[in-house]
Amino acid sequence: DAGITQSPRHKVTETGTPVTLRCHQTENHRYMYWYRQDPGHGLRLIHYSYGVKDTDKGEVSDGYSVSRSKTEDFLLTLESATSSQTSVYFCAILEVNRDSGYTFGSGTRLTVV
Amino acid sequence: GENVEQHPSTLSVQEGDSAVIKCTYSDSASNYFPWYKQELGKRPQLIIDIRSNVGEKKDQRIAVTLNKTAKHFSLHITETQPEDSAVYFCAASPTGNQFYFGTGTSLTVIP
Repeated sequence: DAGITQSPRHKVTETGTPVTLRCHQTENHRYMYWYRQDPGHGLRLIHYSYGVKDTDKGEVSDGYSVSRSKTEDFLLTLESATSSQTSVYFCAILEVNRDSGYTFGSGTRLTVV
Repeated sequence: GENVEQHPSTLSVQEGDSAVIKCTYSDSASNYFPWYKQELGKRPQLIIDIRSNVGEKKDQRIAVTLNKTAKHFSLHITETQPEDSAVYFCAASPTGNQFYFGTGTSLTVIP
């Protein structure tokens, strides 16, 4: 699946601590995305990137930051985790050359206690 | 930005019956409409998509229809099987590089 991996797969953290999730791709895709999935809300865009050091906010970006210092890695940081950020986080890439939709990573289940 | 609404949120059908999931969108610039299937504990996966220059597209037991005038599109699954049980998401894209998702439909196929 387009060589996209997320780490960690599961994480439990305490309120107020910083957390970083990693998305890694091996096929040099330009566009990468971070979504969160919550019951009743579907998939909501947090941040996205259209190239190295080029990022932009999505609809639910408050409390999150991202970095993309190299093509293959897109990092999502929760600056000070809150219980409302307990969610499943999916990274996605857009395979422009296939003229198709997103390919998602396997997800990270984050629990903030 | 684009707003996508999806109905119903839950759907139960008998095995062998058809299932229909409907989505509406707000941005007339949207021109690409993918559908994703997400099995329990798995990642969403693309199952079919349609572009705005096409009214209908079929792939075996699944089909998608698009009405640009009314700004709605639908997923049709015929001869449903237990393995069709999953959450289905529709999405719309006005730019080609950012997708807006519906809230999902949980489909249960009863054997």
